[in-house]
Amino acid sequence: GDSVTQMEGPVTLSEEACLTINCTYTATGYPSLFWYVQYPGEGLQLLLKATKADDKGSNKGFEATYRKETTSFHLEKGSVQVSDSAVYFCALSDRGSSASKIIFGSGTRLSIRP
Amino acid sequence: EAQVTQNPRYLITVTGKKLTVTCSQNMNHEYMSWYRQDPGLGLRQIYYSMNVEVTDKGDVPEGYKVSRKEKRNFPLILESPSPNQTSLYFCASSLITGANTGELFFGEGSRLTVL
Repeated sequence: GDSVTQMEGPVTLSEEACLTINCTYTATGYPSLFWYVQYPGEGLQLLLKATKADDKGSNKGFEATYRKETTSFHLEKGSVQVSDSAVYFCALSDRGSSASKIIFGSGTRLSIRP
Repeated sequence: EAQVTQNPRYLITVTGKKLTVTCSQNMNHEYMSWYRQDPGLGLRQIYYSMNVEVTDKGDVPEGYKVSRKEKRNFPLILESPSPNQTSLYFCASSLITGANTGELFFGEGSRLTVL
């Protein structure tokens, strides 16, 4: 079945450091890929998405490129801020799947030190 | 304001006492879903609904019921709660069903503790 695997957390970085959170997927069809972010005490919200191979999603300084050849969608940011502290979820939605539902990874907690 | 509203936000109850967590969305979304979030396990889908009167099981449906009598509401029912249902619950909705969008809108969560 379809699945999403993302790097274990927690990840702790200093402010202005570079960030990469790895995400790989398996899917039978042609998935769209997403990163969701959950700030403390809140629900998840969509951060960025890419719907086909080689697409790059971007938002709030974060980027992720849909790599079909490596089945990956790594989240990157060049200079993180304290306000980026949150839990990040990689997810996929498979057009070929019989059920219209989103599959989430287990989440990566990111903490940024001032 | 477009939103998904869950109630209650926090609840402590005892084993076996029936409870309902309500979810309402004002975006005219067809697709709605319930998830539970547990440490180390991420988000797991409980039930989802493609439209009014259409519901289906997700990955962890045991011990839960849902109904979809109106498009805007999708309550989660725990008929006889047990301690292993202590969790953080999220309701979510989406504009398009059956299509590959993935853009879910989430409520703020309901933290349930079953003693």
